[in-house]
Amino acid sequence: KQEVTQIPAALSVPEGENLVLNCSFTDSAIYNLQWFRQDPGKGLTSLLLIQSSQREQTSGRLNASLDKSSGRSTLYIAASQPGDSATYLCAVTVNFNKFYFGSGTKLNVKP
Amino acid sequence: DTGVSQDPRHKITKRGQNVTFRCDPISEHNRLYWYRQTLGQGPEFLTYFQNEAQLEKSRLLSDRFSAERPKGSFSTLEIQRTEQGDSAMYLCASSLPGGNSPLHFGNGTRLTVT
Repeated sequence: KQEVTQIPAALSVPEGENLVLNCSFTDSAIYNLQWFRQDPGKGLTSLLLIQSSQREQTSGRLNASLDKSSGRSTLYIAASQPGDSATYLCAVTVNFNKFYFGSGTKLNVKP
Repeated sequence: DTGVSQDPRHKITKRGQNVTFRCDPISEHNRLYWYRQTLGQGPEFLTYFQNEAQLEKSRLLSDRFSAERPKGSFSTLEIQRTEQGDSAMYLCASSLPGGNSPLHFGNGTRLTVT
């Protein structure tokens, strides 16, 4: 069974800092990996999707990398802002019927 | 694109009662998913529809849970004889066909069983 782990569980940084969130998964035979953002009491918003054949994806200040062979992905956030405060989750799928989620990293960016 | 819509946003019910939640996916999305999320955890898969066909169902989904998607449009998730352990956020997501379409989530239904 696919297990997804996210470290750290929580992170607090001052505004302007660059930061990296980590995601690891146990079965490297994934179809794709997605990073999501979740604000308190809300659903998830898709940030980036990396196909299994890709190594990274970028959107604005966000960059996600994927190393399928080692079962790892990172989400890099540049020049963090208080509005980036949220929980960030990664999810993998081995087919598109089911996605496996990590428990998330709760990010607090202090002004 | 009006987004994925879920109704109600909150539901408080007494143990033993039945509840039903509704999800309206983005109109052109043929894939629909139900997930359950408890505090501090990531979403757990419950079930998946492609059009009106329910193609996968988690072992988490006991016989008290049933989901439908008539005509491949909106979907309902019913929980019969609710238990306190059913208290959670129930999230619906949809996506386009194709293996690399991102998931779009609704804002969920928060269920509290007293």
